Amino acid sequence: SQKIEQNSEALNIQEGKTATLTCNYTNYSPAYLQWYRQDPGRGPVFLLLIRENEKEKRKERLKVTFDTTLKQSLFHITASQPADSATYLCALVGYGGSQGNLIFGKGTKLSVKP
Amino acid sequence: DSGVTQTPKHLITATGQRVTLRCSPRSGDLSVYWYQQSLDQGLQFLIQYYNGEERAKGNILERFSAQQFPDLHSELNLSSLELGDSALYFCASSVDMAGVGNEQFFGPGTRLTVL
Repeated sequence: SQKIEQNSEALNIQEGKTATLTCNYTNYSPAYLQWYRQDPGRGPVFLLLIRENEKEKRKERLKVTFDTTLKQSLFHITASQPADSATYLCALVGYGGSQGNLIFGKGTKLSVKP
Repeated sequence: DSGVTQTPKHLITATGQRVTLRCSPRSGDLSVYWYQQSLDQGLQFLIQYYNGEERAKGNILERFSAQQFPDLHSELNLSSLELGDSALYFCASSVDMAGVGNEQFFGPGTRLTVL
């Protein structure tokens, strides 16, 4: 069955460092991969989307890579700040029909210490 | 604020009961999605509607049903509730159907507690 794994449940880093979160998947050929941020008790908020034919995408301090050979996406936050502390979810989107809906990983809780 | 509204914010009920969760999508969005989030399962896709029609089903129990009305708001009905149904239920909306890579806008969620 399709499986998405985010490498760690929690990641603690120091302010100013780069946070790197990993998303691995198996038994799936996604058309797109999305990253969301979720704060406690709130709905996820979309951050970035990367397509299967794209290697890298950037948005301000965020960078996402997508390696369909390794079946892995890396999500980087550079110059991290305490305000970046949240749970980050990766989600895969397949091609059309029922495969077009998002399949989410369980998330990585990032804590940035001042 | 995502523009997606959900009511009620909290719901406490007993086993065996039936509840209805309501969602209003962002203005202009035709797709509505329902998700369940529990601590052990993460965010699970339940069902999607596009412009009033059911488009896709995920891990939705037979005790659960949903519909999207002509004004595009959606309701999720949960019946014969069990303790394990306690979770956060999110509604999301997007402009188009899933599969074209549109971002989804999530509502604030309804926290359901079944006692």
